Amino acid sequence: KAGVTQTPRYLIKTRGQQVTLSCSPISGHRSVSWYQQTPGQGLQFLFEYFSETQRNKGNFPGRFSGRQFSNSRSEMNVSTLELGDSALYLCASSFGAGNTDTQYFGPGTRLTVL
Amino acid sequence: KQEVTQIPAALSVPEGENLVLNCSFTDSAIYNLQWFRQDPGKGLTSLLLIQSSQREQTSGRLNASLDKSSGRSTLYIAASQPGDSATYLCAVPQSGANSKLTFGKGITLSVRP
Repeated sequence: KAGVTQTPRYLIKTRGQQVTLSCSPISGHRSVSWYQQTPGQGLQFLFEYFSETQRNKGNFPGRFSGRQFSNSRSEMNVSTLELGDSALYLCASSFGAGNTDTQYFGPGTRLTVL
Repeated sequence: KQEVTQIPAALSVPEGENLVLNCSFTDSAIYNLQWFRQDPGKGLTSLLLIQSSQREQTSGRLNASLDKSSGRSTLYIAASQPGDSATYLCAVPQSGANSKLTFGKGITLSVRP
């Protein structure tokens, strides 16, 4: 079974631009979560989607948004990029919507904002 | 609010040593605890998931234990190898029907040949 895939793997943007990141979960998984990882803050939860519905949202500004499609693929969008948005963005998928399933992470998208 | 702590932040050991990585959490009402490995610049690889009803889980040279009452988990690595060098993170899910994980900051392990 193919793992979680994320595209693109690397991205360089300038301040003020917007960016869209994509995540394809493991086949059959319906839950997708997004995390931001920075050296200072570690891994921070952004949001979770299950069956196209956002079930949970972390403490990030409204510039961060996401969605999930009927095939469970998910995208996250960051508008009006700031230098502090430079980070590794990870998505994770799991089979169910509950908190008992193993979560599988993708390789991440490294976003650099100049 | 759940807080997860991993101390120390970094550890260096000689090859062949058995070692224990610690993880503590403040809210003992957890459903499970998951250990991950992260290589530099890469994503997270799930190592072990221990359900709240379990006390131990084993995979190869790895053994994870869970003590909910004391808010602690340990990851035991037997006969460490240079290839074990990585950052090890533990995470617990938020209560309720969702998949949000709260992570520790991780322990960066270096195994010297």
